[in-house]
Amino acid sequence: AQSVTQLDSQVPVFEEAPVELRCNYSSSVSVYLFWYVQYPNQGLQLLLKYLSGSTLVESINGFEAEFNKSQTSFHLRKPSVHISDTAEYFCAVSADKAAGNKLTFGGGTRVLVKP
Amino acid sequence: KAGVTQTPRYLIKTRGQQVTLSCSPISGHRSVSWYQQTPGQGLQFLFEYFSETQRNKGNFPGRFSGRQFSNSRSEMNVSTLELGDSALYLCASSSGILNTEAFFGQGTRLTVV
Repeated sequence: AQSVTQLDSQVPVFEEAPVELRCNYSSSVSVYLFWYVQYPNQGLQLLLKYLSGSTLVESINGFEAEFNKSQTSFHLRKPSVHISDTAEYFCAVSADKAAGNKLTFGGGTRVLVKP
Repeated sequence: KAGVTQTPRYLIKTRGQQVTLSCSPISGHRSVSWYQQTPGQGLQFLFEYFSETQRNKGNFPGRFSGRQFSNSRSEMNVSTLELGDSALYLCASSSGILNTEAFFGQGTRLTVV
């Protein structure tokens, strides 16, 4: 079984400052890793994913995450946040060779960007 | 390309009633998964359907059930509703190939009174 821990439930940050959201996972098998974002009263939108290849993955809106297998982490970073980045962010894993597409989510990190 | 459509968006039911939620996946996608989101428990996997068969199941009581039709549309049913079933129910659509990304609908907000 897999589990995901997001170490910060809330992260306040000033506009144009950097932000890092921490995600650690545990699994006995290889995993695929995802970051999703949820705006109020909305579903989840995929930010970025790690399936294989380069351990550093980037999104089109300036976020990046690095897969670190030895530390079982997949932290999300953005060098300069905008007010519109205020949302809840979820880290998720799915197990390689699992039966199906089940995602296991972390508890979420609420990011509040202040002007 | 249309996204994942969930209906209805909001629902209020009385304890003891049953409810059916609907999800239409992205055209061509064959996998539909359901998740329950609550403030206390977060996002929890309910089940996944692929080609009309349940492929995976989470740890929920038998009151929660689902099905998938030949056009890949899926329904989720909850019987004998309890106050604790109040949640945002999210549907996710995937191509069916394992471990590819899931696209989520906007969810159905169920309130049990």
